[in-house]
Amino acid sequence: KAGVTQTPRYLIKTRGQQVTLSCSPISGHRSVSWYQQTPGQGLQFLFEYFSETQRNKGNFPGRFSGRQFSNSRSEMNVSTLELGDSALYLCASSLESQGNGYGYTFGSGTRLTVV
Amino acid sequence: AQSVSQHNHHVILSEAASLELGCNYSYGGTVNLFWYVQYPGQHLQLLLKYFSGDPLVKGIKGFEAEFIKSKFSFNLRKPSVQWSDTAEYFCASPGNAGNMLTFGGGTRLMVKP
Repeated sequence: KAGVTQTPRYLIKTRGQQVTLSCSPISGHRSVSWYQQTPGQGLQFLFEYFSETQRNKGNFPGRFSGRQFSNSRSEMNVSTLELGDSALYLCASSLESQGNGYGYTFGSGTRLTVV
Repeated sequence: AQSVSQHNHHVILSEAASLELGCNYSYGGTVNLFWYVQYPGQHLQLLLKYFSGDPLVKGIKGFEAEFIKSKFSFNLRKPSVQWSDTAEYFCASPGNAGNMLTFGGGTRLMVKP
């Protein structure tokens, strides 16, 4: 079966711009989570969507937002980009509806560079 | 707040050496723990998971981990590492917060051939 697909793989944006990243989960998976990975902060949880509803949110400013569509595909948006937003953004999908982190499959990520 | 910590940030081993990477968690209640591996340029992959039952968990590629409740630990082990085990290893847990994972800071393992 196809894995978790994230597009684009690489992105370069200018400070102040906004960006939208896309994630297509494994077929049948209804939970999609987003993580930010940086050398300094490691892996940090951004938010999780399940059946088009945001179920959990991490400690990120309101510039970071997301949504999930009826086909479970998810997008995350970052507005007014800052240099510190440069990171690898990872998406993970899971079938699990109970919410215990079980069965996550991660995508390869989108590498965002803000200049 | 729940937290997951990994003691070793960088580990260098020679092939055939034994590996043990430390992981500690800090929350009570139901404990679910994971080890993930990220090979250079690849996505995070699940090595093994602990939900309940036998505290000694066996995963893929010869890895295992032992859950020790009294020590709040879930250390990853492998008896004999290979060059191909060079990667970054992450311990993680959803804690009591549902379907979101809290990750440790990661351990970069380099295995010298």
